[in-house]
Amino acid sequence: GENVEQHPSTLSVQEGDSAVIKCTYSDSASNYFPWYKQELGKRPQLIIDIRSNVGEKKDQRIAVTLNKTAKHFSLHITETQPEDSAVYFCAASWTNAGKSTFGDGTTLTVKP
Amino acid sequence: DTGVSQDPRHKITKRGQNVTFRCDPISEHNRLYWYRQTLGQGPEFLTYFQNEAQLEKSRLLSDRFSAERPKGSFSTLEIQRTEQGDSAMYLCASSPGGANSPLHFGNGTRLTVT
Repeated sequence: GENVEQHPSTLSVQEGDSAVIKCTYSDSASNYFPWYKQELGKRPQLIIDIRSNVGEKKDQRIAVTLNKTAKHFSLHITETQPEDSAVYFCAASWTNAGKSTFGDGTTLTVKP
Repeated sequence: DTGVSQDPRHKITKRGQNVTFRCDPISEHNRLYWYRQTLGQGPEFLTYFQNEAQLEKSRLLSDRFSAERPKGSFSTLEIQRTEQGDSAMYLCASSPGGANSPLHFGNGTRLTVT
């Protein structure tokens, strides 16, 4: 089955700096890669996703890049703000699979 | 708010007891998922339904776990003869189905087995 590894497990940045979180996946059939943000005590919520037919997607301060050959994808947050502090999860799935497989999460702390 | 709702929010039970959790998905979503999350880990897949049909169950899931979605709407997850290792957050999620739809999570049920 699919295996997703996520790095780093913790990340601390100064407000205004950029943050990058990386994930690798094992199943070459995977073609959908969402990112979820989970604030303390709250539900995971989708922040951005990318499908395998594109290499990059951007939404304001958040971007995701995908390298299908290397089987890795990354989340980029620019101009970080304290409210970006949360746990971020990457996931991977493919069209005919029912489930998403998640990474173990990255705890991002943005220091004011 | 018409998001995914789960009940109860917290459950404390003694080892060996049975517990049942309920999930009400977003009404127009035909896929419903159960995940388990422990501290420092990502959500771990347990099972999912397409309408009322249970299409996949994790191999990691013991026979003590059973889930139903009798009318293709709400779902229940039952754990029989609970063990301390079952303590976790149980997350329900729904999606509209189709190719690669994002998951909409509920707030979860936190189970503590003493």
